[in-house]
Parts: sequence; C-alpha cells; structure tokens
Amino acid sequence: DTAVSQTPKYLVTQMGNDKSIKCEQNLGHDTMYWYKQDSKKFLKIMFSYNNKELIINETVPNRFSPKSPDKAHLNLHINSLELGDSAVYFCASGQGSTGELFFGEGSRLTVL
Amino acid sequence: KQEVTQIPAALSVPEGENLVLNCSFTDSAIYNLQWFRQDPGKGLTSLLLIQSSQREQTSGRLNASLDKSSGRSTLYIAASQPGDSATYLCAVTVSGNQFYFGTGTSLTVIP
Repeated sequence: DTAVSQTPKYLVTQMGNDKSIKCEQNLGHDTMYWYKQDSKKFLKIMFSYNNKELIINETVPNRFSPKSPDKAHLNLHINSLELGDSAVYFCASGQGSTGELFFGEGSRLTVL
Repeated sequence: KQEVTQIPAALSVPEGENLVLNCSFTDSAIYNLQWFRQDPGKGLTSLLLIQSSQREQTSGRLNASLDKSSGRSTLYIAASQPGDSATYLCAVTVSGNQFYFGTGTSLTVIP
C-alpha cells in the first residue's frame, strides 16, 4: 500500500505547454504539500493545504495552481511551462500534531 | 527566516565505520526536527523525528540528537554498511505545517 502516491513519475514536454501532476495520500493526514527539488537537490516548499484550504503559498509564479478536491488529494497544474520549471516535484503529507512528513516518489518534469 | 545547513556536503567512509552527520539551524524556535534519507531517483524516507522537548531519538543503528539552544542536531550511524549510501537531509518545523530543509549530506559507504 503506497502511502503517498503521485503520477506521473516522468513528464517530458515542450515549452509553453500545460501539464498536471496528481497526488493522493491514504494516511488520513490533514495537511498536504508540494515541494520542488532543483538540480542541486535543494528542497523548497511551494504550497501547503490543510483540509482542502491553502495555508502556505511561497513565492511561486501564478502559472502554478494547486487544487485540492478533498483532503486526500492535492494536484498541481502548471501553465505555460518554462525551461526553468524542469525539476523533481514532490508531494508530501503530514499530521499537524506530530509534524512527521511522508513523501511521494517524486515527478521528474523536463521542459524542452 | 529559518536557514538550515548540513555539513559535510559529501562524506565517504569505509564499511563498518561509525559516522556523524551534522545539521544546524538559525532559529531555535522549532516545533520538531526530522531526519530523512533519499536514495537516487526516489522520494524521501523519514528516519527519525525529534520533538522540540526531546534530546534524542534512536532507531536501530541510528541515533539523532537535538540541542535547540545551540541550533544543532547530529545523526549518528553506527557500523555503517554499503546500503546506508544515500543523501541524508534534515528538516526543521517552525510550526505544525512549515518545514525548512537542509542542503543534504551525500554519504558513500565503501565495501
């Protein structure tokens, strides 16, 4: 049973296209996150949702739009993709009381 | 703003050696600290979570300590094995929902 699953695992696309990454967690957590890991392996938070409500929105271009239909799902849609968007995007979930984070396997996005 | 630093950036040790990875953070008002392991092409796996009121946590050959006042944590790995080769990251929580990650230490254990 995969605790945090995200799809697709790999995404190769042209500049200017729109793409989505889906994430689902079956841990019953209230909070879900999107992180971006750059080529130097640094992890930076992008968004955080708690019970379907946006609570953290770091300095991310508005081409990135998260959507949470329910607390078990947090999807990421990216419009007008740019070369600099190439990275690995990680979904994570956690329960606020303990703060322990659980990560998905990552989605590697390559923009050509 | 919280900054998390890990030293060294890379470490190579022979199998069987004990080793220490370091993590430092600038703001001591943390909720907890978590150590993760990341294998190439994979997500992060949680190793140990230390709450702000705790001093250390142990799991098997791993022991993590926390000194909030000095802004430091260490991850001690005993009797290292080639399977321990991975990147190790620490992260601090400044609230229940905001995590800051370190830059990671890439560990290679040589058979």
